[in-house]
Amino acid sequence: SQQGEEDPQALSIQEGENATMNCSYKTSINNLQWYRQNSGRGLVHLILIRSNEREKHSGRLRVTLDTSKKSSSLLITASRAADTASYFCATVAGDGNKLVFGAGTILRVKS
Amino acid sequence: DARVTQTPRHKVTEMGQEVTMRCQPILGHNTVFWYRQTMMQGLELLAYFRNRAPLDDSGMPKDRFSAEMPDATLATLKIQPSEPRDSAVYFCASGSIPASPLHFGNGTRLTVT
Repeated sequence: SQQGEEDPQALSIQEGENATMNCSYKTSINNLQWYRQNSGRGLVHLILIRSNEREKHSGRLRVTLDTSKKSSSLLITASRAADTASYFCATVAGDGNKLVFGAGTILRVKS
Repeated sequence: DARVTQTPRHKVTEMGQEVTMRCQPILGHNTVFWYRQTMMQGLELLAYFRNRAPLDDSGMPKDRFSAEMPDATLATLKIQPSEPRDSAVYFCASGSIPASPLHFGNGTRLTVT
């Protein structure tokens, strides 16, 4: 079963604009991770935020975590056509081992 | 760059046939996961291992699926007998420690006719 749910399901923006994706989850977590998947490929890890952290940055990526609302957001600034992909949030819950993925957001960046 | 290797990349088979998918995790990684991805269900966790021991395979249909790690360099996922509803992309992923980021292979696209 999926732990996280992403919103929106699909997002289409112009190159240079910012893209924001949201993720909500149901149970307490150890950490939350964001992944990207290009068509026909495996998922690639982008960023990990621990349950005691509120914000994290990596290049053009900014992730926030609100454990009281059980939600996270991924912001991609100054988007590029190459950012076109599906983005998934994933949470580590339960025994602290298994990583459970949400349904993903399909991002399309038009040039 | 170290990577997770999955074989075969594509597999087309007839209903009732046995299918074996293989995964070579990154050397030194001690957690291995199997996921299945479909349009309808998204990414489903099928099974995962730590130090070659199965920790959870509750996501797998037990009557037809089996997952093993015969050694630290090989993980296998077997379906016997296969059914059309098993058609999906199967991903293997490995990680260095529990709760750490996972490295994914490029998947095996299975089509059962």
